[in-house]
Amino acid sequence: QSALTQPASVSGSPGQSITISCTGTSSDVGGYKYVSWYQQHPGKAPKLMIYEVSKGPSGVPDRFSGSKSGDTASLTISGLRAEDEADYYCSSYMSSSIVVFGGGTKLTVL
Amino acid sequence: EVQVLESGGGLVQPGGSLRLACAASGFTFYNYAMNWVRQAPGKGLEWVSSISGSGGSTYYADSVKGRFTVSRDNSKNTLFLQMNSLRAEDTAIYYCAKGGLWFGESLFDSWGQGTLVTVSS
Repeated sequence: QSALTQPASVSGSPGQSITISCTGTSSDVGGYKYVSWYQQHPGKAPKLMIYEVSKGPSGVPDRFSGSKSGDTASLTISGLRAEDEADYYCSSYMSSSIVVFGGGTKLTVL
Repeated sequence: EVQVLESGGGLVQPGGSLRLACAASGFTFYNYAMNWVRQAPGKGLEWVSSISGSGGSTYYADSVKGRFTVSRDNSKNTLFLQMNSLRAEDTAIYYCAKGGLWFGESLFDSWGQGTLVTVSS
C-alpha cells in the first residue's frame, strides 16, 4: 500500500497560483474518479477541499480546483492568500479495496 | 450541522488493547460509510479502516489487518475501533471521518478533533 507521491513543499506569493501534484498508478489515481484533496492547518483536523477529482464541497472557495491527467492528479490554488498556508493531502481509492493518501505537501505563502 | 466526536484514546502498553468510539450527529448515520484515519506525530495522514453504512462490509489497511476491528451501532449513531496487539508504531492521533455513500469514494467530508493513542511502556 504505497502512498501517493506529492512534492514535499511548494511556495508562492499572495495573489499567485500554485499547483500541487499527486502521482499514483493505474490502480489508483489513474483508474478511478475518486481522488480527493484535504487541507490541514497545524494542530487542526483535515478539511475536505476537492472530491471526485474536481468537485468542490459547499463552502470551499472556487479558488481551489482539481484536475487529473493519466496517473497524476493536481490541486490548483489561484489568488493565493495567507490563510491558504497549510499542509495538503491527496487521497484515492485503490483497486484492492483500500484508500491511500499522499505523503502531504507543505504550502508556504511567501 | 454534521458532528463527529471521538473518545477512548490514551496510554497503553505494547501488546495491549484499546477501544475507540465516535459519536455522530446531524446526518442519517446508517446511510453513510464511516472511516478511521490516523496521523503519527509529525507525519502524514494514513487511512486505517472503513465500514459500510449497514455495517456489513469492512475494510482495513494492511498495517492493521488482523489486529483492529471496526464496527458500528446504527441505533446509537456510534462508530467503534477495537485495537488489539498494539505496537509503538500505532501511536497517533486517530480521526473519525464521515464518508460518502460508498467507502471507496475516498470522501471524508466531516472530521472529528481526533483522539490521541500512545503505545509505550
